[in-house]
Amino acid sequence: DAKTTQPPSMDCAEGRAANLPCNHSTISGNEYVYWYRQIHSQGPQYIIHGLKNNETNEMASLIITEDRKSSTLILPHATLRDTAVYYCIVRGLILTGGGNKLTFGTGTQLKVEL
Amino acid sequence: DTEVTQTPKHLVMGMTNKKSLKCEQHMGHRAMYWYKQKAKKPPELMFVYSYEKLSINESVPSRFSPECPNSSLLNLHLHALQPEDSALYLCASSQDPYGTSGSYEQFFGPGTRLTVL
Repeated sequence: DAKTTQPPSMDCAEGRAANLPCNHSTISGNEYVYWYRQIHSQGPQYIIHGLKNNETNEMASLIITEDRKSSTLILPHATLRDTAVYYCIVRGLILTGGGNKLTFGTGTQLKVEL
Repeated sequence: DTEVTQTPKHLVMGMTNKKSLKCEQHMGHRAMYWYKQKAKKPPELMFVYSYEKLSINESVPSRFSPECPNSSLLNLHLHALQPEDSALYLCASSQDPYGTSGSYEQFFGPGTRLTVL
C-alpha cells in the first residue's frame, strides 16, 4: 500500500480555513485517497475520499494534485469541535478475499483555538 | 441505522481470563474489521471478514481469535493475553467488500478499551 506523509501537528484559529496537507508519492492509478479523523478516545470518523478529481461534501473539500502525489484536506470554517487527529490514507483493495485495507499513518493533530 | 456498536465499552481482565469483545452493525455491510490502537498511535488492522469469511489476518497472535457468526455480528475472543495487549480495540464495517463499483468508507464503532493486568 502507498505510504502517506503528514505534518505531526497544526494549529488553526476558529472560523478560519484549516488546510491539511498529505504526500502520497507512491500512489498507484486505481488507489483512492481517504481522509478520516479521530476525536480523542472515539472511533475514527470518515470525512471524504477521492480518486482524481477534487471533491466536496458537507464536512470538507479534498484537493488532489494532477499527478496525484499529494492532496489537501480543507475544513472551510474550523470550529473547536474540529480539534482531532486527521489521517490521510491510501486505500488498498484486498483482491483475493475482499475488503478494504486502510493503513493509517501517524496523522496530523489539528488544534483549533479561539 | 448507521451505527456500529461495540460492547463492552471497558474491559479489565487478568492474563489467565477468557473474554470476548462484540461488534454489531445493521447497515447490511458485508465486510467487517478489527483494529487495535495503542495510546497515541494510529489504528492497526488485525482482521478482515468478507461475506462472513476471514479475508485477512495481519499476523495476529493466536491468543486473539475472531469469529463472524453472521453478517451483522463480529466477535473477538481473547485468551491468555499479555499486559502489552492493553489497547483500544476498534471494530468497523464497510458496504462492498470488493469496492469495485466505487469506494466505500468504513464505519467505525466507539471501541472497547481493554486493560490486561
